[in-house]
Amino acid sequence: KQEVTQIPAALSVPEGENLVLNCSFTDSAIYNLQWFRQDPGKGLTSLLLIQSSQREQTSGRLNASLDKSSGRSTLYIAASQPGDSATYLCADYNYGQNFVFGPGTRLSVLP
Amino acid sequence: GAVVSQHPSRVICKSGTSVKIECRSLDFQATTMFWYRQFPKKSLMLMATSNEGSKATYEQGVEKDKFLINHASLTLSTLTVTSAHPEDSSFYICSATDTGGGETQYFGPGTRLLVL
Repeated sequence: KQEVTQIPAALSVPEGENLVLNCSFTDSAIYNLQWFRQDPGKGLTSLLLIQSSQREQTSGRLNASLDKSSGRSTLYIAASQPGDSATYLCADYNYGQNFVFGPGTRLSVLP
Repeated sequence: GAVVSQHPSRVICKSGTSVKIECRSLDFQATTMFWYRQFPKKSLMLMATSNEGSKATYEQGVEKDKFLINHASLTLSTLTVTSAHPEDSSFYICSATDTGGGETQYFGPGTRLLVL
């Protein structure tokens, strides 16, 4: 059974800092891995999608990497801003045709 | 605890017909439910936020007249795909947050829609 974990559970950084969020999964037989942002009371907003054949994806200040062999993905946020404060979740879509979500990392960027 | 169900799990319909998908929170009350759709490359995208007793909030690019959402009770939200077309064929997933507190979203198992 696929399990997805995220470290750290919570992170607080001053504005301007670069940071890395970690996601680990136990079964490397995944179709893709997706990073989401969740704001309080809101649905999940898709940030980046990495197909299993890809190593990384970039969008603006965000960069996500995928290492299937080690079962890890990272989300790198450059020059963090207070508006980046949210919960970040990773999820994989596997060949069992279901999504498995991590528990999330709650990020606070302090002005 | 915190189980969300969807019905049906799979549906095939003819083009032009309407299909209703139900999302239920089985052991908690959910003031807010969310509807997602899986797109090519298997990405998951938010379609709309369903609010109990009020109108749904749709994401940009989602046709509200095409995807009707009703959230009539604290445990049930429905998504109706009206006048379905083959391009509406997809995997639809709902999630719900516990009104009792917390931001964790509990996901349903999804509904696979195939429009012929």
